This record gives sequence, C-alpha cells and structure tokens, in this order.
Amino acid sequence: DVVLTQTPSILSATIGQSVSISCRSSQSLLDSDGNTYLYWFLQRPGQSPQRLIYLVSNLGSGVPNRFSGSGSGTDFTLKISGVEAEDLGVYYCMQATHAPYTFGAGTKLELK
Amino acid sequence: EVQLVESGGGLVQPGRSLKLSCAASGFTFSNYYMAWVRQAPKKGLEWVATISTSGSRTYYPDSVKGRFTISRDNAKSSLYLQMNSLKSEDTATYYCARQAFAYWGQGTLVTVSS
Repeated sequence: DVVLTQTPSILSATIGQSVSISCRSSQSLLDSDGNTYLYWFLQRPGQSPQRLIYLVSNLGSGVPNRFSGSGSGTDFTLKISGVEAEDLGVYYCMQATHAPYTFGAGTKLELK
Repeated sequence: EVQLVESGGGLVQPGRSLKLSCAASGFTFSNYYMAWVRQAPKKGLEWVATISTSGSRTYYPDSVKGRFTISRDNAKSSLYLQMNSLKSEDTATYYCARQAFAYWGQGTLVTVSS
C-alpha cells in the first residue's frame, strides 16, 4: 500500500502567519492517465472533512485562495498564506492513484 | 445545494451485520462515483469502498473486502454499505462522499461491542 508521510504532525501558528505542510508518498502518484490524484482535506473539530485541494493544485469549490497546493511525483505541499482562526483543525493528504486509497496521518494546526 | 445524509449506525455485537444508508440530494446522483470513508474514534481517515455510477464496479481495501458490500439505487439517489461479520476494529464514524471526495456527509457512528 502507498504510505503518505505528513510533516509536521503538529503545527503551531499565529493568525496571519504563512505555514506549509508536507506530504511525501512511498511511490509516485502520477497515474498512467497523466493525472496525479493527490488531495488535501481539512477536518475542523467536530466536523466532517472538507476537500481543499484536488489533483495536487486545484482549489476546491468555495475554498479561500489563501490555500494552495503544489508538488509532483512523491513530494507535495499545502501552503496557507495567512492563517485565519477558521483554519484550525487537522489537515490530511490523500492519494487515489493506487488502490487502496490511503490517507496521511494528519497535521494538527493549532494557535500558538 | 449538495447534501449527503448518512443513517443506520448504532451499537452492534461482534459478528453481526449492519446496513448503512446515505441519502443524496442537490445533484444528479447517477452521474457520480460514490465512496465510504471511516474514522475510528480519535484516529485518522480510512477509505472503505467506492462504487461506479452504474454500480457495476466496486472497490475495497483488504481490511473490509469480503465482509462489506457497497451498493447504490440511482432511482432513489441512495448509497448503501452492507457490513457483515463486524469486528471491534470496525468501530468508527462512517462518512459517505461524492466522487473525488468533493462533498461529505455528517457521518454515522457504528460501535461494535458486546
């Protein structure tokens, strides 16, 4: 199975600070169809996960543009340019290139 | 507005069965792949199953293959998860999600315990 390693596991930030989360895959996530099925989700406390980014760098519907995704192959990054209070929660990366689909262990974003 | 509403969770004994439902609205259900994802208490997310638009193709991880069955009724805009031979490690909140995990329901809690 593909292992996704997220770092850091805990991220402390102040409001307005820019932060990044890394997601490294145990194998390339480039599919034979040319797409890379790498997603980012945010799960706020007590809520369902919300998709932020799909196909590495595409912003989900209604997602603020302070969120951005980048990367290729095995290395991916989610960046938040100016953390806001509503961004606190746990961030997960997920791959759907190789079955079984797998998630990273999560990165908890908290206020410093 | 896209809505996904899960139901059917509850307390069940090990070895027994349970069937979850997900009622979809706000989009043309038959046009989208659908999936189930679960989250054990205080743990991360785990993909459980995916089904094609017609229901002819289904996909599972080894952890549930042969025990869980995903299905759909496009006429009723509903998704299902039949869970058999339940184990304590199946205890989790189960979410249904639309294709590419763009939308998620609020989840339904399944507790497997004697």
